[in-house]
Amino acid sequence: DQQVKQNSPSLSVQEGRISILNCDYTNSMFDYFLWYKKYPAEGPTFLISISSIKDKNEDGRFTVFLNKSAKHLSLHIVPSQPGDSAVYFCAASTITGANNLFFGTGTRLTVIP
Amino acid sequence: NAGVTQTPKFRVLKTGQSMTLLCAQDMNHEYMYWYRQDPGMGLRLIHYSVGEGTTAKGEVPDGYNVSRLKKQNFLLGLESAAPSQTSVYFCASGQGLTNYGYTFGSGTRLTVV
Repeated sequence: DQQVKQNSPSLSVQEGRISILNCDYTNSMFDYFLWYKKYPAEGPTFLISISSIKDKNEDGRFTVFLNKSAKHLSLHIVPSQPGDSAVYFCAASTITGANNLFFGTGTRLTVIP
Repeated sequence: NAGVTQTPKFRVLKTGQSMTLLCAQDMNHEYMYWYRQDPGMGLRLIHYSVGEGTTAKGEVPDGYNVSRLKKQNFLLGLESAAPSQTSVYFCASGQGLTNYGYTFGSGTRLTVV
């Protein structure tokens, strides 16, 4: 059973516009969420994270929003740049224990110049 | 500062052969993880370690064994490779959940024929 879901396999956005990537989770025990970015032939690289005690975390052009009641989080990229084109993975974990990450299936973002 | 290094980067095995994938990190991290990435499946946890001399099973451990004899190294073994183990394997390390997530290696692409 996929505990973390990214229902949009791909997304295309014009350069300068906002990119919104969505993620849903089913396990109510998750209390820490991360976004990773992955380029071809490279490993995932950490982008931004949020704890369940917050509903928003911002880092430059990247903002993650968390809606615990809906078990939903989203990543906003503003403004989108061609270098943002990559696969984005949502991941969830629990702060206690071994901190294993459960990943979604990824969304391929293409930013069109 | 190399971060997380995986060797080899590519390998082709025949069904029934064995091999060991090596992961080395130079960040003195306690936690290390092995994931596999398959099309449409995201990243799935195979095994993990929360410290030198410890290992534990993840979501998809069957057909794999691991060892963490030294803190900086985490080995993933395939005793008798099967075509279903064709995948891209990623190693990650971390110091628990922080604002910086986990650091991933660049991956090993394994094909079993």
